[in-house]
Amino acid sequence: AQRVTQPEKLLSVFKGAPVELKCNYSYSGSPELFWYVQYSRQRLQLLLRHISRESIKGFTADLNKGETSFHLKKPFAQEEDSAMYYCALISGTSGSRLTFGEGTQLTVNP
Amino acid sequence: NAGVTQTPKFQVLKTGQSMTLQCAQDMNHEYMSWYRQDPGMGLRLIHYSVGAGITDQGEVPNGYNVSRSTTEDFPLRLLSAAPSQTSVYFCAVRNPLSGRAGEQFFGPGTRLTVL
Repeated sequence: AQRVTQPEKLLSVFKGAPVELKCNYSYSGSPELFWYVQYSRQRLQLLLRHISRESIKGFTADLNKGETSFHLKKPFAQEEDSAMYYCALISGTSGSRLTFGEGTQLTVNP
Repeated sequence: NAGVTQTPKFQVLKTGQSMTLQCAQDMNHEYMSWYRQDPGMGLRLIHYSVGAGITDQGEVPNGYNVSRSTTEDFPLRLLSAAPSQTSVYFCAVRNPLSGRAGEQFFGPGTRLTVL
């Protein structure tokens, strides 16, 4: 069964510091991974997807199949990055279920 | 994201009561799903639908029923509410532009408390 683990429930950093939100997954097939973000009083929204290899709002995430990880990174955190972040996994190209991790609440202090 | 609406925003029920959470979309996409969000547990899939007349169970379907008579609407029914169903419920619709399963638009959520 597929599973997504985010080991840190809470993460606190200072503005300008690097930030890394960890995500590990288990899945025997070819995974597709995503990061979703929920800002205070806003809807959950897609942040980025591994297949696009994109940088959104300064965040990047690289899929490491050897370590089964998809950590989210940003070199210089901003206060507006404070939010709940969820890592999510879907199975292959025909999968119809999105499995979320437990979430990490990021707080960026001034 | 205005294309996914949920009602009500808040609801308080007594144990044993029934209610329906409404979800509507105007993006004309076939794939819709319901999740519940609980602290420390992330979002868990309750039920999903790949089109009108087709529904399937997710990770935590017990205590919930769904039906899909139209593309636009996907209501979630609690037949006999229990305190364990206290949660925030989110409806989601697959991104109609990409069609990719992992890219979904979420509704604003319904915060349900069962006493």
